[in-house]
Amino acid sequence: GAGVSQSPSNKVTEKGKDVELRCDPISGHTALYWYRQSLGQGLEFLIYFQGNSAPDKSGLPSDRFSAERTGGSVSTLTIQRTQQEDSAVYLCASNPGRGGRDQIVSSYNEQFFGPGTRLTVL
Amino acid sequence: QKEVEQDPGPLSVPEGAIVSLNCTYSNSAFQYFMWYRQYSRKGPELLMYTYSSGNKEDGRFTAQVDKSSKYISLFIRDSQPSDSATYLCAMSYNLGLTFGEGTQLTVNP
Repeated sequence: GAGVSQSPSNKVTEKGKDVELRCDPISGHTALYWYRQSLGQGLEFLIYFQGNSAPDKSGLPSDRFSAERTGGSVSTLTIQRTQQEDSAVYLCASNPGRGGRDQIVSSYNEQFFGPGTRLTVL
Repeated sequence: QKEVEQDPGPLSVPEGAIVSLNCTYSNSAFQYFMWYRQYSRKGPELLMYTYSSGNKEDGRFTAQVDKSSKYISLFIRDSQPSDSATYLCAMSYNLGLTFGEGTQLTVNP
């Protein structure tokens, strides 16, 4: 079946512009995560959605970052007034969502990652 | 100080070599330990996971966890050029995954 998809694959924008990044999780997966991957920083957790529960936004670096998930499926990560330090690869992951945000006690709870969106802010 | 430390490399080895990848961590609450593999321009994919201390073997891959030393390792035996990728360690307790920086590995034919 189809994996996690993300669009666009690459985005170049000018400083100060807003950008929207899209994630389509695996069908039926109720948990969805956004991460940011920068050189020298590894994967940085941004936000987590689980079903209809309120999202865990504890990883969002500033109020310029927001995300929503419509109908429990597709998610959009929005970055307003982009800055050069926002340049990174933004990764989305999903899993079946049994239990908490970090459920990985069995293989079906692993996080499945999309290919990422490479954002460059000039 | 980062919660999870991982040498970013790069690490270059000849085909057939044994590769050792390591992470140290500071949070003793971590209970689940994982290794993800990430090919260039792709998202990470889960390679192995272990719960608590001990060893786990899967084919050419062995994961080790030493909670007393807060140290985890991934060994790759008979390394192949197709193993060339970035390897990320990740760990968690109940507040989500914390990743290491990733080690870039190149296996030369």
